[in-house]
Amino acid sequence: GAGVSQTPSNKVTEKGKYVELRCDPISGHTALYWYRQSLGQGPEFLIYFQGTGAADDSGLPNDRFFAVRPEGSVSTLKIQRTERGDSAVYLCASSPAQGVGYTFGSGTRLTVV
Amino acid sequence: AQSVTQPDIHITVSEGASLELRCNYSYGATPYLFWYVQSPGQGLQLLLKYFSGDTLVQGIKGFEAEFKRSQSSFNLRKPSVHWSDAAEYFCAVGAKTSYDQVIFGPGTSLSVIP
Repeated sequence: GAGVSQTPSNKVTEKGKYVELRCDPISGHTALYWYRQSLGQGPEFLIYFQGTGAADDSGLPNDRFFAVRPEGSVSTLKIQRTERGDSAVYLCASSPAQGVGYTFGSGTRLTVV
Repeated sequence: AQSVTQPDIHITVSEGASLELRCNYSYGATPYLFWYVQSPGQGLQLLLKYFSGDTLVQGIKGFEAEFKRSQSSFNLRKPSVHWSDAAEYFCAVGAKTSYDQVIFGPGTSLSVIP
C-alpha cells in the first residue's frame, strides 16, 4: 500500500484479555519495527524484523509480548494477559533498507480497563 | 548505547517568530539523526535526517537542522513559524549497526500563539 497501515486504530480490552495488533507495511519494505508510545513520552523500541525473522526483540518488556511476521510482510503484535500498564499507542514502522529512516503508521491506541 | 535528550519539554512561540528546538545525543560514533513531528492523534512524520556529508540538512515544511559533532547536537530550526506547526517534535538517533534501531528523545511540545 501507499503507507503503513495499522489496525485497529483503537482497542479497548479488559485486564487479563489477549489482544492482537496488526501492521501492514509499505509494499517491498523488508524492515519492520514495533514501538510503544506512552502518554507524554517518545516512542520506545520493542522489536525489529528483517524479513520473516525477529532480528532484535530486546525491547519487548516481558514474555507476555510476542510478535510474528510469517511471510515477511504483515506483522502481528500479540499481548497476553493484558495489564493496565500496557495501555499505550503501539506504532509500527517500515523501511526499505538500513539507515533511510522509517515510515510510521498512525498507530493503535490500546486501552486496558 | 545511544541516547537522546531534548531539554525543552514545552515551547511557546508567536506565529511568524523563529524557532529552535534543541536536541543532544550520546553515541560513540557518527550517528544517524532524525527529527520527527507528531500532530495530535496522528502518526510520526519524518521532517529530515542526517546520515553524512553536509552538516546542515533541509527538510520538509521549511525546517532545517544542523549537526554539530563537537556539541553532540542536532538542533531543529525554522525561520518563521506557522500556526499549523503546533505539534510534538521528536529527535531520534540511529546506530550504524547491522540494523538501524532508532532511539527517540522524550519530545518537545510546540504551541503557537496566533
